[in-house]
Amino acid sequence: VQVVESGGGLVQPGGSLRLPCVVSGFRFTDFWMTWVRQAPGKGLEWVAKINTDGSGKYYVDSVKGRFTISRDNSKNSVFLDMNSLRAEDTAVYYCARENWAIDYWGQGTLVTVSS
Amino acid sequence: EIVLTQSPGTLSLSPGERATLSCRASQSVSNNYLAWYQQKPGQAPRLLIHGASSRATGIPDRFSGSGSGTDFTLTISRLEPEDFAVYYCQQYGSSQIFGQGTNLEIK
Repeated sequence: VQVVESGGGLVQPGGSLRLPCVVSGFRFTDFWMTWVRQAPGKGLEWVAKINTDGSGKYYVDSVKGRFTISRDNSKNSVFLDMNSLRAEDTAVYYCARENWAIDYWGQGTLVTVSS
Repeated sequence: EIVLTQSPGTLSLSPGERATLSCRASQSVSNNYLAWYQQKPGQAPRLLIHGASSRATGIPDRFSGSGSGTDFTLTISRLEPEDFAVYYCQQYGSSQIFGQGTNLEIK
């Protein structure tokens, strides 16, 4: 199983960023996928998750209306579109597979929101 | 919303000793949907325990989980040098909540 995120970088407050995540080694359509973030020196915070066919999407309150999770089952990919970014969104963002608990994680991609 | 409180915040022990980490929930965790993760610096978290007491694939048997309802424990029977890390508990299922973590450091 491999989970590989990309797309992180430096963005100004109010800006946007898209994080792609490509997976391999398992039947993608059988699993929910999730994003978890970790601010520098802080703990883990669940951000968003999506069900197997993309019809169900769930978010932590702090990103509702700003972030959108989606998936492309034909490309074994999941995405996190982040808009209206704030300094407090600065974190390493992990893409991960949900098998009830989170059993496979990517290595993370750093998003820095700063002017 | 459930709040998970981990204790202690930092635990200082020596290799070979037994570690006991606590995770207390503000309300009952349904179906014992409680997991434990280990995270080392610069690495992604690794799943250790799910369903409160089931070891994940490839996890050594010195790691064990117990508890139900609102009180859960991760026990490491004999600490190995590679076990010193930060440990998080998590309630999963309808919501995804993490505890704040316990830093297990070498004494």
